[in-house]
Amino acid sequence: AQKITQTQPGMFVQEKEAVTLDCTYDTSDQSYGLFWYKQPSSGEMIFLIYQGSYDEQNATEGRYSLNFQKARKSANLVISASQLGDSAMYFCAMRERGGGFKTIFGAGTRLFVKA
Amino acid sequence: DTEVTQTPKHLVMGMTNKKSLKCEQHMGHRAMYWYKQKAKKPPELMFVYSYEKLSINESVPSRFSPECPNSSLLNLHLHALQPEDSALYLCASSQAGQGAVFSGKLFFGSGTQLSVL
Repeated sequence: AQKITQTQPGMFVQEKEAVTLDCTYDTSDQSYGLFWYKQPSSGEMIFLIYQGSYDEQNATEGRYSLNFQKARKSANLVISASQLGDSAMYFCAMRERGGGFKTIFGAGTRLFVKA
Repeated sequence: DTEVTQTPKHLVMGMTNKKSLKCEQHMGHRAMYWYKQKAKKPPELMFVYSYEKLSINESVPSRFSPECPNSSLLNLHLHALQPEDSALYLCASSQAGQGAVFSGKLFFGSGTQLSVL
């Protein structure tokens, strides 16, 4: 069963605008963490933001924020003031307490930022 | 130092060759990982080492042999690979304490692009 679902294979956004990348997840574990990673064309995976299942506040890291809706099991990434350097592949990911250090990745969303 | 260093960056090998991929980190992380990534796909977990012991093997063929000689190093030994094994191989590390099981973020190396001819 698909545990992380990213329904947007590709997204376009105008430079300086905000964009939301969707992510839904499925777990029966009470303790889990949700992550977003960025992968530029160079190949390296870069950690962006983390949200724990017990965190009541939405996580923020600079221009990145995570819109966490626990009841809906969604963890959307919001990038504000998009920059050309934000063009990359973005992966939503999850770790579960019962998962033994496994990180499960979604299929990814390719973001294109237009000048 | 928040880097994970992987060598080599590129590797071309024949199906009868033996080669090794190397990974090193000095962040004090006690969990280390090998992932395989095909083009336009998410990374697929291959192996996890926790405190230098193999804790997860995702049913990887035996032509891939991992090794964790110490807490900073992780190797992946390759032998008799097939062309379909051509991919980007990513090493990662994370903290390994109890809380890190579900909260530990991964630090990735830049990967080894492997081509099997």
